Amino acid sequence: GQQVMQIPQYQHVQEGEDFTTYCNSSTTLSNIQWYKQRPGGHPVFLIQLVKSGEVKKQKRLTFQFGEAKKNSSLHITATQTTDVGTYFCAGHTRSNYQLIWGAGTKLIIKP
Amino acid sequence: DTGVSQDPRHKITKRGQNVTFRCDPISEHNRLYWYRQTLGQGPEFLTYFQNEAQLEKSRLLSDRFSAERPKGSFSTLEIQRTEQGDSAMYLCASSSGRMDQPQHFGDGTRLSIL
Repeated sequence: GQQVMQIPQYQHVQEGEDFTTYCNSSTTLSNIQWYKQRPGGHPVFLIQLVKSGEVKKQKRLTFQFGEAKKNSSLHITATQTTDVGTYFCAGHTRSNYQLIWGAGTKLIIKP
Repeated sequence: DTGVSQDPRHKITKRGQNVTFRCDPISEHNRLYWYRQTLGQGPEFLTYFQNEAQLEKSRLLSDRFSAERPKGSFSTLEIQRTEQGDSAMYLCASSSGRMDQPQHFGDGTRLSIL
């Protein structure tokens, strides 16, 4: 079936270091959405990418959508403690209503 | 905008019992989704409503699960004859407009089966 693979599962960083998570889809996506889930919270929408090769920035966060619309990445520059949480990618295909979710990458700040 | 509301927040029940959860979406949202999430995993799609019509249901979903959205506003998710494997967080989300619009999630109902 249709799958979105997300790596890594966890990333431990020192505060101030960068963080990146990658998503790969087995099929072409019509869009990719990114959500953040804080510990004990629910997913919160961050951004949507629609166009092939699209790059969007939100302050220290940079989101990319691949040329083939099968992969995406989220890069955080100079992480802060407020960035802690799990980052999920999720995409629609043309053929169904449901969002297909990655398993998430958990960002952990080393003490 | 009062957000998506789910009730109860927690449910503990014995195996074999039936449980029902309620979701109140954002008032102007016509699309409503139910998901299940277990620890370390992303949300797993269960079912989707557009207004009162249930347009899609996961093929992996057992017949013990049923959902309704009778007037196109709130929705209920019922699990009959609960099993240990049903223990999870059940999330509701809503959206408006086109299918690809962002989904707004509630805080979820955490189900624990004894």
